[in-house]
Amino acid sequence: EPEVTQTPSHQVTQMGQEVILRCVPISNHLYFYWYRQILGQKVEFLVSFYNNEISEKSEIFDDQFSVERPDGSNFTLKIRSTKLEDSAMYFCASSGTVPHEQYFGPGTRLTVT
Amino acid sequence: RKEVEQDPGPFNVPEGATVAFNCTYSNSASQSFFWYRQDCRKEPKLLMSVYSSGNEDGRFTAQLNRASQYISLLIRDSKLSDSATYLCVVNRPRRGSARQLTFGSGTQLTVLP
Repeated sequence: EPEVTQTPSHQVTQMGQEVILRCVPISNHLYFYWYRQILGQKVEFLVSFYNNEISEKSEIFDDQFSVERPDGSNFTLKIRSTKLEDSAMYFCASSGTVPHEQYFGPGTRLTVT
Repeated sequence: RKEVEQDPGPFNVPEGATVAFNCTYSNSASQSFFWYRQDCRKEPKLLMSVYSSGNEDGRFTAQLNRASQYISLLIRDSKLSDSATYLCVVNRPRRGSARQLTFGSGTQLTVLP
């Protein structure tokens, strides 16, 4: 069964550093997303991406965040200058022809110290 | 009012019991509805989409009442492996796209032997 994969599983970084989180969506999917979940809180939408551009983004997705699909398989989330409050689990998701059914990767746990 | 509201639980039930979860959503323009399950520190996994006519998948039955903006999930003959947090998820309609998901905080279920 095809699945979304994410690397790394855990990233520790110092405040102010840049991080890139990587995702490989399900191969025939067209829509890609990033969500985050701060420990003990609910899953929150960050950004959706379709046809090589951002479709929607939330208030959380400020100028420190960017997304890219550098090739036909990877989808990345970059945080330019990390803050302590960026510590969270970051989930990538993708969806295909069945509208709105999104499948999530295992997540990257980001710890900012 | 929260966009998606769920009883946080916890629900502790014996194996074989029937358990029901409820959820309300605030945006009457919402178009798609889902139940996801999330195990501790894992990604949300799609359990089932929820259709207006109601739908069933094995031991799981989902109902939608658009007039009341209410969604339910019924689990029959619960198993130990059903222990998880159940997330009520609604798509948040937006201009040009309707694929951003809004998550409830989840209802925790523990099935006891």
